[in-house]
Amino acid sequence: SQQGEEDPQALSIQEGENATMNCSYKTSINNLQWYRQNSGRGLVHLILIRSNEREKHSGRLRVTLDTSKKSSSLLITASRAADTASYFCATDPQGGSEKLVFGKGMKLTVNP
Amino acid sequence: DVKVTQSSRYLVKRTGEKVFLECVQDMDHENMFWYRQDPGLGLRLIYFSYDVKMKEKGDIPEGYSVSREKKERFSLILESASTNQTSMYLCASSPATRSSYNEQFFGPGTRLTVL
Repeated sequence: SQQGEEDPQALSIQEGENATMNCSYKTSINNLQWYRQNSGRGLVHLILIRSNEREKHSGRLRVTLDTSKKSSSLLITASRAADTASYFCATDPQGGSEKLVFGKGMKLTVNP
Repeated sequence: DVKVTQSSRYLVKRTGEKVFLECVQDMDHENMFWYRQDPGLGLRLIYFSYDVKMKEKGDIPEGYSVSREKKERFSLILESASTNQTSMYLCASSPATRSSYNEQFFGPGTRLTVL
């Protein structure tokens, strides 16, 4: 069953601009993760934020988590054409098994 | 460099054929997963395994079975392929940890077409 929902479903920006993607989920979680998928390839893990964390940085990535609103955002600063990909959020539900629940993904296009 | 490999990048089969998709990981991970990915539907979990010979159904197990005889290998089996099983199939693995760091590592995917 789908838990995470990314918003917007598609985003097109110019190189150098910032890109913000949002994810909403429904149940309590242990952590939330963001993945990137280049066209026709497997997913690559970008960043994980635990339920007791509010913000996390990794290079040009900034992730925030608001457990009261059950939402997260992924900010990519100073975007590059190579950031063009689909982005997925995935949640690790509390009380669940070893599974993650993935959203449907959103497509980011960075124009040179 | 950690790696998850899948036996084929592209596969074309005929309706009714038995299809085997193989996945191998070299990270000594306990957990392995099979997903299918379709446009507009995201990733849907077919089956996962948390140990050798152990398996659990995911969200869409119908028409599929799995086998895990060795820790590093997880096979997805389409007993009698149908056209609605045309899809991208993704394998992933993760360590068995409840320390809330359960990143999944994905293979490159197999694009299966059933004619």
